[in-house]
Amino acid sequence: SQQGEEDPQALSIQEGENATMNCSYKTSINNLQWYRQNSGRGLVHLILIRSNEREKHSGRLRVTLDTSKKSSSLLITASRAADTASYFCATVSSGGSYIPTFGRGTSLIVHP
Amino acid sequence: NAGVMQNPRHLVRRRGQEARLRCSPMKGHSHVYWYRQLPEEGLKFMVYLQKENIIDESGMPKERFSAEFPKEGPSILRIQQVVRGDSAAYFCASSPTSGVLYNEQFFGPGTRLTVL
Repeated sequence: SQQGEEDPQALSIQEGENATMNCSYKTSINNLQWYRQNSGRGLVHLILIRSNEREKHSGRLRVTLDTSKKSSSLLITASRAADTASYFCATVSSGGSYIPTFGRGTSLIVHP
Repeated sequence: NAGVMQNPRHLVRRRGQEARLRCSPMKGHSHVYWYRQLPEEGLKFMVYLQKENIIDESGMPKERFSAEFPKEGPSILRIQQVVRGDSAAYFCASSPTSGVLYNEQFFGPGTRLTVL
């Protein structure tokens, strides 16, 4: 089964609203990464948060990590139509393989 | 600085033919990863290579699939005797020499394989 599972599967909002996506995982991690994928394109890295970090910001993006709950959230503030994309979390487990494991993603649609 | 390049972008094959997918990592990157993505699914790891070495192929099907990353030239993902279930988008990613532990992966645009 997937290590990271995003929630919700799909999210539809109006421009200017905030969008929150969640990611839950099962095993201990070294770091967690969020990626964006526009339709028909490759993935673009957004933010990497390490297991000893609780929050990170990048522009309109805010990522939190709660290792006790094994969950992370991605918040996009003041969303724009250009934010329409699929968002994936990827976990890198601690110990053993350093291969990121991707979830199924959240499909975000921002209506102008 | 060119990003990760993949070709072809689209590939159509008939059942039983061979498919060859190419990936040129970013300049200075010596780690290459291949992933497969089915519609409405996340990426599934297939294989992790460094120059002339397969480091982890735990996600690669045991038959018909092979990968290489020669000293010179791109990484190649080869699928022999393709079947309809092989239809998917195949993404390549590369990372800096220090690996993916604390580094992002840079993804190519993908190759969309359609098996008729």
